[in-house]
Amino acid sequence: EVQLVESGGGLVQPGGSLRLSCEASGFTFSYNEMNWVRQAPGKGLEWVAHITYSGKLTFYADSVRGRFTISRDNAKNTLYLQMNSLRADDTGLYYCVKESASGYHFDRWGQGTLVTVAS
Amino acid sequence: DIQMTQSPSTLSASVGDRVIITCRASESINYRLAWFQQKPGKAPDLLIYKTSNLESGVPPRFSGSGSGTQFTLTISSLQPDDFATYYCQHYNSYPRTFGQGTKVEVK
Repeated sequence: EVQLVESGGGLVQPGGSLRLSCEASGFTFSYNEMNWVRQAPGKGLEWVAHITYSGKLTFYADSVRGRFTISRDNAKNTLYLQMNSLRADDTGLYYCVKESASGYHFDRWGQGTLVTVAS
Repeated sequence: DIQMTQSPSTLSASVGDRVIITCRASESINYRLAWFQQKPGKAPDLLIYKTSNLESGVPPRFSGSGSGTQFTLTISSLQPDDFATYYCQHYNSYPRTFGQGTKVEVK
């Protein structure tokens, strides 16, 4: 069974940093491209970042480019999101999302980890 | 960037109703359109991918269609478990934009 378990969320002051992790199991992690998607309280879904199989290519939403860094460790089956210079509007539930190996659509989501940016 | 516009934002319906949700892309997305269902406090679940392909385990009352820039999600006979929020998303390029969501509520 595919499992994606996020961790690392919490309360942080504006300007602070957090590193999110997503531990993957139940599939061959190195075969799948991965994403982070977030959801502000009571709002819709916002794609945040994408990373290719090897980690050599990354893509970001304009709202986080230059502040967030997505990375992966295929030996540890783990996806990361380093978040720096956090702002109040970064507050939300952050989901780790697996892409289908055959079609590029998002086929499995973790349960999310909550990030709250407030003083 | 490709913009995704969903309508309606809210839909009031009864069990047994046929429900149609529309998603329009600002440019052609080569059928790379997915639909997700999200219930309160839960992560989204994939329903449909590549416009019309039903994800394994999803009931056949859900179907997707469309081409070019216009897409629809149809629930043929709404069931109690289907009251939720639905999102479309394109995956043709970056950023992988979502629609703003359609909340299906009890009439």
